[in-house]
Amino acid sequence: DTAVSQTPKYLVTQMGNDKSIKCEQNLGHDTMYWYKQDSKKFLKIMFSYNNKELIINETVPNRFSPKSPDKAHLNLHINSLELGDSAVYFCASSQDRGGTSSYNEQFFGPGTRLTVL
Amino acid sequence: GQQLNQSPQSMFIQEGEDVSMNCTSSSIFNTWLWYKQDPGEGPVLLIALYKAGELTSNGRLTAQFGTTRKDSFLNISASIPSDVGIYFCAGQLYRGNMLTFGGGTRLMVKP
Repeated sequence: DTAVSQTPKYLVTQMGNDKSIKCEQNLGHDTMYWYKQDSKKFLKIMFSYNNKELIINETVPNRFSPKSPDKAHLNLHINSLELGDSAVYFCASSQDRGGTSSYNEQFFGPGTRLTVL
Repeated sequence: GQQLNQSPQSMFIQEGEDVSMNCTSSSIFNTWLWYKQDPGEGPVLLIALYKAGELTSNGRLTAQFGTTRKDSFLNISASIPSDVGIYFCAGQLYRGNMLTFGGGTRLMVKP
């Protein structure tokens, strides 16, 4: 009954390949995110997506694309993998409660460690 | 873009000691957050702060939202071995905006 799950946990691949990482949340949330954590542990938002809009961090290369088959899933597709793509990728989700209050808590998945050789 | 500077980068302390870490920003945030990341896991929210000057506690953890809205600190009292992990501050300008994370403070506790 994991809230936010990701597969695979580890992914090792060659440069130039295309790969996907899957994310599923069973919290009924309406917004999902992808983050990249580099080797120095810096966490950077890549995408934010709900059924209304996709927000893209302008620094993310267009080789990365999120795809949402339904509200509970946001998969990350990466084309033409490069060495610098090696990192841990985290999926997260939150529920927009509307109104003017506060932070909609983001719940993170366990991460996918991607290694590009 | 906005930058969050978190310090110290790492701390190695004795069990039972108190710990303090802080985060400063080049621009204001309207929400400050503190997360903890255990090895091999994703970050988990510890404390959320919504008003300048706000002081909030969660067990042995206490966090404050700076009055200038450009900084925040987290204190952990009487540390225990399970406090080991990486602590991240994060800021959000408006509800629904993306989060900006600090670089993390790696905490190590010696029993």
